[in-house]
Amino acid sequence: GAGVSQTPSNKVTEKGKYVELRCDPISGHTALYWYRQSLGQGPEFLIYFQGTGAADDSGLPNDRFFAVRPEGSVSTLKIQRTERGDSAVYLCASSPMALPNEQFFGPGTRLTVL
Amino acid sequence: AQSVSQHNHHVILSEAASLELGCNYSYGGTVNLFWYVQYPGQHLQLLLKYFSGDPLVKGIKGFEAEFIKSKFSFNLRKPSVQWSDTAEYFCAVITTSGTYKYIFGTGTRLKVLA
Repeated sequence: GAGVSQTPSNKVTEKGKYVELRCDPISGHTALYWYRQSLGQGPEFLIYFQGTGAADDSGLPNDRFFAVRPEGSVSTLKIQRTERGDSAVYLCASSPMALPNEQFFGPGTRLTVL
Repeated sequence: AQSVSQHNHHVILSEAASLELGCNYSYGGTVNLFWYVQYPGQHLQLLLKYFSGDPLVKGIKGFEAEFIKSKFSFNLRKPSVQWSDTAEYFCAVITTSGTYKYIFGTGTRLKVLA
């Protein structure tokens, strides 16, 4: 079956611009997670959704970062006024239930801010 | 704050050598523990997980891990590595109370020489 997909796979933008990164989770998965992975580091938690609501957004670094999941399926991570330090691979993962369980990861979006 | 430490950042082994990758976490409550693997050019995928019960868990491809609660450790082992095990390995922890936020270690890059 289809796995988690993320678009675009690569995004190059200029400092100060706005970007949107999209995640399509596995159908039926209720939990959706966003992570940021910098070179040489593990995935860093940003936010997680249970259904349409953000259950924990404590990992968002500042108010330039925002994420939505309006219909409980696709999610969009939005970054305003991008900075060079935002350059990283943004990973999305989904999980079939609310309780702790295996996560299924997408391929990531590599964001480069020039 | 919860954290996960992986002490070996880079490991190089010859085929048939035994492998042990260290993982320690800091959290006083009940946790669920995971090892994920990322093969070159592929997504992160689950190797094995521990929720409860037998502290020695077996995963895919001959990997196993042992949960030692008193040491806050969850080390990954494989008796005889293969060239195809070349990958990056991540330990992850999720607490079983509050929100289900995963914390990943920084990863261990394993290279197996043929």
